[in-house]
Amino acid sequence: EVRLVESGGGLVQPGGSLRLSCAASGFTVSSNYMSWVRQAPGKGLEWVSVIYTGGNTYYADSVKGRFTISRDNSKNTLFLQMNSLRAEDTAVYYCARDKDLGGTGGTFDIWGQGTMVTVSS
Amino acid sequence: DIVMTQSPDSLAVSLGERATINCKSSQSVLYSSNNKNYLAWYQQKPGQPPKLLIYWASARESGVPDRFSGSGSGTDFTLTISSLQPEDVAVYYCQQYYTSRTFGQGTKVEIK
Repeated sequence: EVRLVESGGGLVQPGGSLRLSCAASGFTVSSNYMSWVRQAPGKGLEWVSVIYTGGNTYYADSVKGRFTISRDNSKNTLFLQMNSLRAEDTAVYYCARDKDLGGTGGTFDIWGQGTMVTVSS
Repeated sequence: DIVMTQSPDSLAVSLGERATINCKSSQSVLYSSNNKNYLAWYQQKPGQPPKLLIYWASARESGVPDRFSGSGSGTDFTLTISSLQPEDVAVYYCQQYYTSRTFGQGTKVEIK
């Protein structure tokens, strides 16, 4: 079964750090484009970051310089290192697999259940 | 960044009736070299992650009922639910993947 399971969320103070993990099963993370998408409470979806098969990474302007996406191929796991956290980073964070559109990514066909990150003092 | 604007923000439709959601992008998401619109639609039910319904503006994801259809090109797109079912109550999002990835603000669909 193709599955993504996030972990690592929790309560953190402003300025703090958190590392999210996303364990994949049923497919290989390194062979797919993988993204993080977040959703603030009661709000819409916001794409956060993507890592391509070749290792290139891209970020939303709102997190650039503060968040780092990475993967561990041996563990088939995706990560999101979040530093200098702000109240506006409070959200459910989903990892998602980009659908293979013949060399083009950008749509998300497999999603995890999400992990909640709360930034508050 | 490409801004995606959906309308309406919410709508109530009777069971069995048609529901139509519109999505407008601030610039064209049609890639001329392959004539494809880089536009997707998702359904999100409470407490669940989003589910991909449509990609390339009109291609239905595997397993998605054929009452869901997508249309449009360039900057204007539509998601149509031809005959609303109780399980279709959800928030629907459009998303462009022409440049980076951005979502619309969502449209909540309820039963009238």
